[in-house]
Amino acid sequence: AQTVTQSQPEMSVQEAETVTLSCTYDTSESNYYLFWYKQPPSRQMILVIRQEAYKQQNATENRFSVNFQKAAKSFSLKISDSQLGDTAMYFCAFMYGGAGKLIFGQGTTLQVKP
Amino acid sequence: DTGVSQDPRHKITKRGQNVTFRCDPISEHNRLYWYRQTLGQGPEFLTYFQNEAQLEKSRLLSNRFSAERPKGSFSTLEIQRTEQGDSAMYLCASSRTSGPLRVDTQYFGPGTRLTVL
Repeated sequence: AQTVTQSQPEMSVQEAETVTLSCTYDTSESNYYLFWYKQPPSRQMILVIRQEAYKQQNATENRFSVNFQKAAKSFSLKISDSQLGDTAMYFCAFMYGGAGKLIFGQGTTLQVKP
Repeated sequence: DTGVSQDPRHKITKRGQNVTFRCDPISEHNRLYWYRQTLGQGPEFLTYFQNEAQLEKSRLLSNRFSAERPKGSFSTLEIQRTEQGDSAMYLCASSRTSGPLRVDTQYFGPGTRLTVL
């Protein structure tokens, strides 16, 4: 069975600094996808970034980038130039190709401090 | 796109009552998903539909839970004989999937928060 583990329940960062959120996963599948979702307080979940396992290049979306280490089954999220609006719970999620369901980690609560 | 909408946003009920939630996906999205999220945890998959066909149900979904998507558009999730352990946020998501091995982004609604007293 696939599992996703986020070992940092809470993190904080000063505004404008860089922070990295960790995620590891376990799977025997070869065709899969990884995601980071953001859930601000009392607001709905939105996609931050996604990575296809077959792509060697790490995905980037503006201030957000990932470090995808396939052999180590690690998928960390780096947020550069942190902004107050980045304060949220961040979920790492896994899906294998053709499946419908996302498998989520436990989440990391990120607090950006002014 | 108006986004995924869910109704109601909040529901308080007494133990033993039945409740029904509705989800309206983004138009033209053929897949619709239901997840359950308890406080401080990641969402857990419940079930999903492709058009009107229910393709997968989680083993977490007891026989008190039933979901439908009768015309391949909106979906309902019903919980019969609610228990206090059913208290959670129920999230709906939708996606437009164009092929059997393709993975498309799931867009989430705001959720329905259920409190069972």
